[in-house]
Amino acid sequence: DQQVKQNSPSLSVQEGRISILNCDYTNSMFDYFLWYKKYPAEGPTFLISISSIKDKNEDGRFTVFLNKSAKHLSLHIVPSQPGDSAVYFCAASRSNFNKFYFGSGTKLNVKP
Amino acid sequence: KAGVTQTPRYLIKTRGQQVTLSCSPISGHRSVSWYQQTPGQGLQFLFEYFSETQRNKGNFPGRFSGRQFSNSRSEMNVSTLELGDSALYLCASSDDNEQFFGPGTRLTVL
Repeated sequence: DQQVKQNSPSLSVQEGRISILNCDYTNSMFDYFLWYKKYPAEGPTFLISISSIKDKNEDGRFTVFLNKSAKHLSLHIVPSQPGDSAVYFCAASRSNFNKFYFGSGTKLNVKP
Repeated sequence: KAGVTQTPRYLIKTRGQQVTLSCSPISGHRSVSWYQQTPGQGLQFLFEYFSETQRNKGNFPGRFSGRQFSNSRSEMNVSTLELGDSALYLCASSDDNEQFFGPGTRLTVL
């Protein structure tokens, strides 16, 4: 039962352009969402989060948008850099911080 | 501060065997969560321990178990290994503000 879905397994973007990674969830009780970045042979590292009381959170080149009615969130990276090439996971939780449901990941390739 | 450490980093076992994985959280963190990562499935939550007690549990069979010690170090045990248990097992420690992941243990079951 995949409660968080990332339907694009991979994405290729030119350096300097915008990368948009998408994530859908099914459980309307989720109220806290995060994005993680993962390089090979390393554990995921936290990137940015958003709670359900907001619809946008920005941190430098990274912005997360939350559309609660559509149960959809997206991560925008502007401008994309080759060092952003990694697998990105979205995750959601239900007022229970330490039990997260993860998507299957999107592999982003930023071409120089 | 040292990060989350996991041992061993790589492990090869055969079907039917059992395995124990270890995770040392960041100093001061009392919560340790375990996740299984397989291709196409993303990270799936196994369980979370807080102050030596299992606080949350995912939907894995009873062959998967864990425990946490008084120093917050945690172990995960998988008994009667199956081929489908081959995966990257990640642990994450938390101070209830943010989760920090270890590098994972790559388990291969032959």
